[in-house]
Amino acid sequence: DAKTTQPNSMESNEEEPVHLPCNHSTISGTDYIHWYRQLPSQGPEYVIHGLTSNVNNRMASLAIAEDRKSSTLILHRATLRDAAVYYCILRALGSGGGSNYKLTFGKGTLLTVNP
Amino acid sequence: DGGITQSPKYLFRKEGQNVTLSCEQNLNHDAMYWYRQDPGQGLRLIYYSQIVNDFQKGDIAEGYSVSREKKESFPLTVTSAQKNPTAFYLCASSHREGNTEAFFGQGTRLTVV
Repeated sequence: DAKTTQPNSMESNEEEPVHLPCNHSTISGTDYIHWYRQLPSQGPEYVIHGLTSNVNNRMASLAIAEDRKSSTLILHRATLRDAAVYYCILRALGSGGGSNYKLTFGKGTLLTVNP
Repeated sequence: DGGITQSPKYLFRKEGQNVTLSCEQNLNHDAMYWYRQDPGQGLRLIYYSQIVNDFQKGDIAEGYSVSREKKESFPLTVTSAQKNPTAFYLCASSHREGNTEAFFGQGTRLTVV
């Protein structure tokens, strides 16, 4: 499985932007980059995903390096409700069956937001 | 409302007993997944299924069993062979394509005493 590497923890101040990095040097050409976040004692929730181009949605932006070996999740103005564990994962396109459908998570980055 | 439901939210069992955790989805998703999460740790994949009547072992399948008789349901049995069953268990579902998001249940916290 293509793996991702994230810092264990990061800290931010409320109302400031946050850039959460993720390295995925073994990414294949058809892997999508997904981000999820998990609040304490809850299931993870989807944040954003992309393939090659940068992506924006109401929650965040995803900046993908030109060689696709790294990406950055951007929270434009952190709030206290953004304090969570953020997971960067790779999802195969889905062709070929078998283990292509695995959805594997690492340990993620614990984001602390200071008031 | 469409979604994925895990039940119960909290479960207590005595050591040596098998216990089955429920996961149901009405999102018409082909793929379903079971994860285990220990305190301060990430999610570890137990089993996953991409289609009815088919499932594969994840990274920590020993001591667990699953079935996928219906598209909507993917129950997980924690058997007495699982040495450390106390954990937070999460179920997820998604379409199979990699450009689609996965949806997670709210989890079942299992405590074995």
